[in-house]
Amino acid sequence: GAVVSQHPSWVICKSGTSVKIECRSLDFQATTMFWYRQFPKQSLMLMATSNEGSKATYEQGVEKDKFLINHASLTLSTLTVTSAHPEDSSFYICSAPRQGGTDTQYFGPGTRLTVL
Amino acid sequence: QQQVKQSPQSLIVQKGGISIINCAYENTAFDYFPWYQQFPGKGPALLIAIRPDVSEKKEGRFTISFNKSAKQFSLHIMDSQPGDSATYFCAASKGNQGGKLIFGQGTELSVKP
Repeated sequence: GAVVSQHPSWVICKSGTSVKIECRSLDFQATTMFWYRQFPKQSLMLMATSNEGSKATYEQGVEKDKFLINHASLTLSTLTVTSAHPEDSSFYICSAPRQGGTDTQYFGPGTRLTVL
Repeated sequence: QQQVKQSPQSLIVQKGGISIINCAYENTAFDYFPWYQQFPGKGPALLIAIRPDVSEKKEGRFTISFNKSAKQFSLHIMDSQPGDSATYFCAASKGNQGGKLIFGQGTELSVKP
């Protein structure tokens, strides 16, 4: 089956620093990837749609200057949390539909971000 | 506005019993309805999905029932096992949205031995 990986799986950083999270589709190409955020005991909230070769599309209420998204290739999207603060601590998950495939989306294992 | 409403929030079932989780949606443009299973600290994994042109889909112990007129769909887990204990999310998407999923609130299932 299709595999999506994320790196790192967990990260701890100091307040005010920036953190980059990578999302890779390992065995298929993805022109589109999605970034979600999940707080404990809550559902997944879509943050943005990452588009290969073009700007990301952000959901309402998500600060595009704080959550920088780059989709540099058909297998890699990155999310950079800039000037992180404790309230940014969360579980960040990416997903990708297989290019040219069905609506089926494959999710990464998630990245746990803790901002001290 | 919550476009996909899921219930119950939590569910306790005895081993061998049937677990039933319900979802209701508002947007009639949705045309793809997947269910995901998530274990603590892991990403969601697709269980089963359905489209509005069928009323039921079964894969192993998992069945989706779909009621287009009522705008509701449900997940049935037959012969529930302790290993099924996880959080389950329903979701919906529109075909012209490039796969953008709207998730329900989630149901924490606990199957007691």
